[in-house]
Amino acid sequence: DTEVTQTPKHLVMGMTNKKSLKCEQHMGHRAMYWYKQKAKKPPELMFVYSYEKLSINESVPSRFSPECPNSSLLNLHLHALQPEDSALYLCASSPKVGEGVPDTQYFGPGTRLTVL
Amino acid sequence: AQKVTQAQTEISVVEKEDVTLDCVYETRDTTYYLFWYKQPPSGELVFLIRRNSFDEQNEISGRYSWNFQKSTSSFNFTITASQVVDSAVYFCALSEANSGYALNFGKGTSLLVTP
Repeated sequence: DTEVTQTPKHLVMGMTNKKSLKCEQHMGHRAMYWYKQKAKKPPELMFVYSYEKLSINESVPSRFSPECPNSSLLNLHLHALQPEDSALYLCASSPKVGEGVPDTQYFGPGTRLTVL
Repeated sequence: AQKVTQAQTEISVVEKEDVTLDCVYETRDTTYYLFWYKQPPSGELVFLIRRNSFDEQNEISGRYSWNFQKSTSSFNFTITASQVVDSAVYFCALSEANSGYALNFGKGTSLLVTP
């Protein structure tokens, strides 16, 4: 089973709203990722959590706030977003088999976010 | 600098044709990994294959095959007897030891298979 689930599938929010995206995996993976994908572009890495600790933040604006409550869950809290933040937000997880070996990342279906 | 080049932006074929998607990469690492992902219109990125730099064996999985050639820094993907369900954007990605094994995606090739 290589399933990563994401909710909601679609989200429309105003610039003053606060919302959260949720990602869940039950594969025992110890690394989880958030990517942002604009239309007709490849995914861009935002954050990496390794063993529930934030290990990479790719200079993402503070209006995006990640949270990893436990090894199966990853949230992305959104606040005061701009229209240019509209995109597909993808979550991924990987086994974290060990240092010096890259993991295969398994992606969820994404949340399509529209900021008005 | 673009580390993964997918020169074909869009390809359109008729069902049952064979199609090859090109991927050229650039790295100075001796240890690296290459991936192909498929992204159908639904949006989910589906993992297809992973290959490490020490294994140049070609791989075949059903109608899919991959040709890895270190001499030309290429990792091409061929779909034999294409089907409408193969329509998707295909991404090649590079993972290098010096970059902490982050996935570096190419810009993707959009494949349209028509009946």
